Amino acid sequence: QQQVKQSPQSLIVQKGGISIINCAYENTAFDYFPWYQQFPGKGPALLIAIRPDVSEKKEGRFTISFNKSAKQFSLHIMDSQPGDSATYFCAAPNTGGFKTIFGAGTRLFVKA
Amino acid sequence: GAVVSQHPSWVICKSGTSVKIECRSLDFQATTMFWYRQFPKQSLMLMATSNEGSKATYEQGVEKDKFLINHASLTLSTLTVTSAHPEDSSFYICSARDSGDYEQYFGPGTRLTVT
Repeated sequence: QQQVKQSPQSLIVQKGGISIINCAYENTAFDYFPWYQQFPGKGPALLIAIRPDVSEKKEGRFTISFNKSAKQFSLHIMDSQPGDSATYFCAAPNTGGFKTIFGAGTRLFVKA
Repeated sequence: GAVVSQHPSWVICKSGTSVKIECRSLDFQATTMFWYRQFPKQSLMLMATSNEGSKATYEQGVEKDKFLINHASLTLSTLTVTSAHPEDSSFYICSARDSGDYEQYFGPGTRLTVT
């Protein structure tokens, strides 16, 4: 089945803390896992992406951890800042890559 | 690079009229474009996929006669909402992708309000 299950629905973190958002997928044929950040009234923007041949990818304060055997991947935001307050979507292209399956989204609020 | 624009950014129309939304890839050739619809506090719902010069492929439950999609060139796709009704009010987002590339580049979205 081609689903991506994302949790939690919402997250409140203190400034400077670590924000962790998790996603689980079912289709082992998925081979590209992006995370998108969306601010209110704007389109999503690619934040970071990973392919399953690596277990972790880091870009600045953002890290993706990938567990192929568990079919899970997560986004870690280190030193979370109020400007990180947004909705985050995990995603995966379906078999053939002709369309992208999105998670339900996580609304992150970073308290100053 | 990889910039996608949408026009207009917001539009208000009366029930029964039609509205056209444009999506342009500004610095790359978009062999595939996608149209999404997003309701408040919800995820993106794919409406249709279009390849340049071909008919769009619509997702189940999306009325192709109501949401007309034209991908006439490698840089332009349009979505026309025909005979709009208040329930069509939503945030419409397009994205574009080059051939052989998984990555989609999203436009800023168009807020449609039907009164």
